[in-house]
Amino acid sequence: EDKVVQSPLSLVVHEGDTVTLNCSYEVTNFRSLLWYKQEKKAPTFLFMLTSSGIEKKSGRLSSILDKKELFSILNITATQTGDSAVYLCAVSSEFVSGNNRKLIWGLGTSLAVNP
Amino acid sequence: DAGVTQSPTHLIKTRGQQVTLRCSPKSGHDTVSWYQQALGQGPQFIFQYYEEEERQRGNFPDRFSGHQFPNYSSELNVNALLLGDSALYLCASSHRDRGLYEQYFGPGTRLTVT
Repeated sequence: EDKVVQSPLSLVVHEGDTVTLNCSYEVTNFRSLLWYKQEKKAPTFLFMLTSSGIEKKSGRLSSILDKKELFSILNITATQTGDSAVYLCAVSSEFVSGNNRKLIWGLGTSLAVNP
Repeated sequence: DAGVTQSPTHLIKTRGQQVTLRCSPKSGHDTVSWYQQALGQGPQFIFQYYEEEERQRGNFPDRFSGHQFPNYSSELNVNALLLGDSALYLCASSHRDRGLYEQYFGPGTRLTVT
């Protein structure tokens, strides 16, 4: 069965700390790995990763994918209270027919950044 | 078992017009989510429907509206189209018990606004 596992499940840090969130996966017909930030209700897209070893960066956030070891990490440097959220990892797979894709989500990492 | 289907496949509209996109969920699914995907980007969540009501909404203006029918199929409506609305619109279905955790995407509708 396809699965996406995130760790840790929750994390509490102080402002200014650097955090690393992990996402490992076992998904057939892998197409891409996506990171989302979920604060209140709807998830907000952060990154899409399709190639190994190429870092994606946006401000203080960065992410990289290792398709050989089947995992990705999301780094947040110099954390701020506004970074407090649930960070979701999702993996997209494509069916052999190519007509549909399946998105498997992890359970998320709940990050709390204290002032 | 039919997967998620969407129609039309491609659509070309001009600025200011209105568009309706359609989605039929995978058999056994009761929840439909809509995403907008720009070229080279990941899907941006628009909203999610369950029991014919909008349950979650992303950061999209009111020009984007939707509907879910008793048979669980769904429509996405976009009014007063802008050039920036050009994108691939994806529908994803899931079962409420699985929530966000396992979604099946349709092939998408490619909308071009000129």
